[in-house]
Amino acid sequence: GAGVSQTPSNKVTEKGKYVELRCDPISGHTALYWYRQSLGQGPEFLIYFQGTGAADDSGLPNDRFFAVRPEGSVSTLKIQRTERGDSAMYLCASSLSGYEQFFGPGTRLTVL
Amino acid sequence: GENVEQHPSTLSVQEGDSAVIKCTYSDSASNYFPWYKQELGKRPQLIIDIRSNVGEKKDQRIAVTLNKTAKHFSLHITETQPEDSAVYFCAATIPIPTFGRGTSLIVHP
Repeated sequence: GAGVSQTPSNKVTEKGKYVELRCDPISGHTALYWYRQSLGQGPEFLIYFQGTGAADDSGLPNDRFFAVRPEGSVSTLKIQRTERGDSAMYLCASSLSGYEQFFGPGTRLTVL
Repeated sequence: GENVEQHPSTLSVQEGDSAVIKCTYSDSASNYFPWYKQELGKRPQLIIDIRSNVGEKKDQRIAVTLNKTAKHFSLHITETQPEDSAVYFCAATIPIPTFGRGTSLIVHP
């Protein structure tokens, strides 16, 4: 009965490194969303999964960003060659209906 | 794409007063309008939502109104309490949500 969980809660990396951020949605939720939130801003959409497939990846800023959800449950957001501008809170949300979304606690990424 | 404007960016009220936050959206295809409350360092939490076939919805001290013709919707909080202090985000969904920039509500005891 747990909510959405994300790991790690904090990630500090150096410019140019590769990072993976994990999201565990609420069990049975078929829709999963990734967002990026910078200080003083609302969540910014990155990618949306319906089941295993990416239904909409129009929010990914460039080809350094990639996400997978191989079994239709856990999802991993992957960022290659990180840049300082990638520093932000990365939020995951899941939904059963496609409307009401439940957010995870986020992963705060800091790129030095 | 969708564009959501949210006002004001900061709202300061006395405990017991009402607070109103307004959002406008650009795409008439948007059909779902949630409001989220985000306390400092915490995740956004859904507090109320409205679908495009409804004009108003109320849940205790919180209400949301929607004007589809004018493409705007508002959050109303009555009898504000210090624990209502947080950042509030609106969103318009088609079906991906576009969020407003947030309103920082401060309720003074």
